[in-house]
Amino acid sequence: GEDVEQSLFLSVREGDSSVINCTYTDSSSTYLYWYKQEPGAGLQLLTYIFSNMDMKQDQRLTVLLNKKDKHLSLRIADTQTGDSAIYFCAERTGYSTLTFGKGTMLLVSP
Amino acid sequence: SAVISQKPSRDICQRGTSLTIQCQVDSQVTMMFWYRQQPGQSLTLIATANQGSEATYESGFVIDKFPISRPNLTFSTLTVSNMSPEDSSIYLCSVVGQATDTQYFGPGTRLTVL
Repeated sequence: GEDVEQSLFLSVREGDSSVINCTYTDSSSTYLYWYKQEPGAGLQLLTYIFSNMDMKQDQRLTVLLNKKDKHLSLRIADTQTGDSAIYFCAERTGYSTLTFGKGTMLLVSP
Repeated sequence: SAVISQKPSRDICQRGTSLTIQCQVDSQVTMMFWYRQQPGQSLTLIATANQGSEATYESGFVIDKFPISRPNLTFSTLTVSNMSPEDSSIYLCSVVGQATDTQYFGPGTRLTVL
């Protein structure tokens, strides 16, 4: 069945780069997404990548996809305290079914 | 991007009562979904809200417990019926954008059942 795994916690210092990793099992995934959830808030779509791409860059965010290993990463450059949140990786299979990982809590210290 | 609003944003309810959550989107969308996020957990899909017909429920979720309406392409409601403390969660509405590679979420409704 479908399964999405993420590390649960990451701590970095302000100004450093953060790398959040995700693995998935369904080889028929069409899109892979990164969402950000701040405390008490809903999910904000950060970025996504189509499964036939291997990299996507959007300002401070870089998504790398290794389809052979089913590994996805999100790199945040120059991490700020405002980036502290839970980051969810999600894969889409079929038309619109999303399967989420359990989320990675990113803590950015000054 | 689609702008999604939900009402109420939070509520505290008594066991045995029901709560209806509303989801409004600022544009017509084809696909609308309801998700649940239990405390400290990831998101689980409850059902797909189908316009003009019965919702499609995922395994473990039934219509009697979570009736859903979708009268048009911009609005849906989810009712949590006969609530128990185990229903305490955040309930999120989600839509697929006009560019069908994007999926957006509402701000969520935080429900606490006493």
